[in-house]
Parts: sequence; C-alpha cells; structure tokens
Amino acid sequence: NAGVTQTPKFRVLKTGQSMTLLCAQDMNHEYMYWYRQDPGMGLRLIHYSVGEGTTAKGEVPDGYNVSRLKKQNFLLGLESAAPSQTSVYFCASQRPDGSYEQYFGPGTRLTVT
Amino acid sequence: AQSVTQLGSHVSVSEGALVLLRCNYSSSVPPYLFWYVQYPNQGLQLLLKYTSAATLVKGINGFEAEFKKSETSFHLTKPSAHMSDAAEYFCAVSESGHKLSFGAGTTVTVRA
Repeated sequence: NAGVTQTPKFRVLKTGQSMTLLCAQDMNHEYMYWYRQDPGMGLRLIHYSVGEGTTAKGEVPDGYNVSRLKKQNFLLGLESAAPSQTSVYFCASQRPDGSYEQYFGPGTRLTVT
Repeated sequence: AQSVTQLGSHVSVSEGALVLLRCNYSSSVPPYLFWYVQYPNQGLQLLLKYTSAATLVKGINGFEAEFKKSETSFHLTKPSAHMSDAAEYFCAVSESGHKLSFGAGTTVTVRA
C-alpha cells in the first residue's frame, strides 16, 4: 500500500514551458486535491475532485488545469509556466465517509526560471 | 468564509517544556478543525481533528487541542517537548469537512 505518490519529485522549467504533475493513490479514495505551499502562506487549494470525471476550482486556480479520468489519478497541468508558479505542490486524497482525514503525498518541488 | 490565523511563525522550546501553538479560526458554520504536522521534506500528517464531538481532542505523539467556540480558538499543546517534535505545524479549518483552509504554519524548534 503506497498511499499517495507524486511524480516527479523535482522539476525545473523555463518560463512558458508546460508540464503535468501526476498524483496517484491506491486507497480507493473518492476525493482528491492539489495544493501549493509557499513560505509564510501555508497550503492553498488549487483544484479538487470529488469523484472520477469531476473537478472544481479551489482558492488559487488561475494558470492551472486538472483532470481526473481515473479514480486513482489526479493530474495537474501548467500550460505556460510563470516564475510565480515556483512552489512545492502537494496532492492529497480523502474518503467521503466522515473520517475527514486527508492523506498527503511527498510533494513536487517546481522551479520556474 | 473560512480562514485560520496562527499566532507566531516560530516557536522555540526547551526539551521537556510545554509546547503551545495558537490557532484562531473564522467560519460561518460550525467548523471542522485540524492540526497537521510536516517534517522536513515530507508531506503533511494529521495530528488530530475536531468534528463536533468532545471539545478536548487527543491526537498522536502526545498532542491535544481544545475547541473553544467563545474564543474561536483551537490551540495545540503538548506537556513535554521532545526533540522529535521539531517540525512545522499547520492549523486548518473546513466548513464542509473536506475543503481545507490552512494557516501560515508555525515552525517548532526544540532546544536540548
């Protein structure tokens, strides 16, 4: 049981390049989330999904897109990276059964130059 | 709208001393409240949660927190700090039970 995994762990992009971050969970959780973590700002919700085929905007969605084609995977895309998107990105998953606990992946450190 | 304010971005305590991390929340409905811990270069791990049952909540590693509605607070305590408690701690609030709003975090340093 690997829990929540994220690929890649590190990435450096040039301004204007695109990339996709992959999150996978093997706990059969319905809910999945993408957060970004910046110093002094805690974690902020980018997008989330409450089930396969559904996505919704969080607090800071601009510049990002997501897809949830399979229940176990949640993809975060940057179409045209900007230096302001330099951050650590965390994926999390949760059961919808009232346990309220989110399980986090190890993070992806992204630098945009 | 939901939000959290953590008072103090850094806390330094001696080993064996009380750890107290302060969290105040804002919510338009009865909230769900959480404390998460992040060790260096890792993801977040749930320490404890308040979900409208007992107001004093016990978590892992000897931590506990008390929900005080009148003060809109959910402060985290541990009676005796251990070196392994050095980490960053995040308070979070949710009105729905799943979309979280996090505070800015408090870094705890433990002095030998």
